[in-house]
Amino acid sequence: ETGVTQSPTHLIKTRGQQVTLRCSSQSGHNTVSWYQQALGQGPQFIFQYYREEENGRGNFPPRFSGLQFPNYSSELNVNALELDDSALYLCASSDGTESYNEQFFGPGTRLTVL
Amino acid sequence: AQKVTQAQTEISVVEKEDVTLDCVYETRDTTYYLFWYKQPPSGELVFLIRRNSFDEQNEISGRYSWNFQKSTSSFNFTITASQVVDSAVYFCALSDFTGNQFYFGTGTSLTVIP
Repeated sequence: ETGVTQSPTHLIKTRGQQVTLRCSSQSGHNTVSWYQQALGQGPQFIFQYYREEENGRGNFPPRFSGLQFPNYSSELNVNALELDDSALYLCASSDGTESYNEQFFGPGTRLTVL
Repeated sequence: AQKVTQAQTEISVVEKEDVTLDCVYETRDTTYYLFWYKQPPSGELVFLIRRNSFDEQNEISGRYSWNFQKSTSSFNFTITASQVVDSAVYFCALSDFTGNQFYFGTGTSLTVIP
């Protein structure tokens, strides 16, 4: 069983640029959630995708957008990057959206915005 | 509004000591879930336990135990006979029943000194 994978591992961008982060969910999982974790902070929920539709969103502006593909892999897109977007971006997959479904996290993508 | 507070930012203990990590939560929901995750230096969040709001039974898993008290809105985590491998950041999290909103605390960094 393949776990959750994320690419790239690290990324450096400049302010104003756009970035796309990728997540491959664990085999058999149809739900992907994205989190932003700033240094020294807990993860902040960005949004969740279930069967290719957004199924919940945290307090993030519209320049944070996502996609989920038919194979349930997912992308996180961030436009007009700001310095405060520098963080570890984690994705988690689960078999279903309900809280009792365990989320499996990937290793994260470290984004640095200069 | 939902909120998770982990007042202990950093804790250091000597190997074989017991240590308790505190978690206090706020929610208006009657049905909710509480979680503990471990984040080693590699960055990947590792699921430790999930507890729903209707199950106040304490749980023990090897050296780990959890104490859930609705009366004080607390969900504390105890490691007995700590080991160096327990060194990590530990996060407490809260989710509503739907699972499409997730709230993490700011984490407690545990260092176990050999």
